Amino acid sequence: GQQLNQSPQSMFIQEGEDVSMNCTSSSIFNTWLWYKQDPGEGPVLLIALYKAGELTSNGRLTAQFGITRKDSFLNISASIPSDVGIYFCAGPTSGTYKYIFGTGTRLKVLA
Amino acid sequence: SQTIHQWPATLVQPVGSPLSLECTVEGTSNPNLYWYRQAAGRGLQLLFYSVGIGQISSEVPQNLSASRPQDRQFILSSKKLLLSDSGFYLCAWGDNSYEQYFGPGTRLTVT
Repeated sequence: GQQLNQSPQSMFIQEGEDVSMNCTSSSIFNTWLWYKQDPGEGPVLLIALYKAGELTSNGRLTAQFGITRKDSFLNISASIPSDVGIYFCAGPTSGTYKYIFGTGTRLKVLA
Repeated sequence: SQTIHQWPATLVQPVGSPLSLECTVEGTSNPNLYWYRQAAGRGLQLLFYSVGIGQISSEVPQNLSASRPQDRQFILSSKKLLLSDSGFYLCAWGDNSYEQYFGPGTRLTVT
């Protein structure tokens, strides 16, 4: 079945640094979603992508829909302590409203 | 605007006891509804989803069931809980835009 692999699994960064993470699949996705989850809370939708090559920003966050439709990227600029959390990518399986979630990237920021 | 509610926020139940978790959505009609489970430090596992009243798709054979008695109400149930049912249960809703939004979650501990 379809799977989403996220890289890196976890990362420590210094406050103020830029962060990059990615999500890859062996299958094509027509929509990519990026979420952030804080401990003990539900994931919050950050960015939704709908077209191959699309680049969308939300404040310091920028996400891109890969040209092959098999990957997506999330960048965070000038990281701050509140960026700590787990970032998930997700997408609906082809022709359905059933979603697959990535394995997550755990971000830890060193002040 | 749309809001999603889940209750209870936390629950401790003995093995073999029944379970009922409720999720309601406000501010939208005919949403797609979802139940996910998240083990500690892990990703999200889709349990059930529903595209309409009385329409339930089960993704993982298990000790749980779901029902949708009203358009914006989704209930997760079990007749007899197992230790392995412990986890963080998340309800989500989505629409035809393919965006999906999560509730605050219920932390279930089976003892």
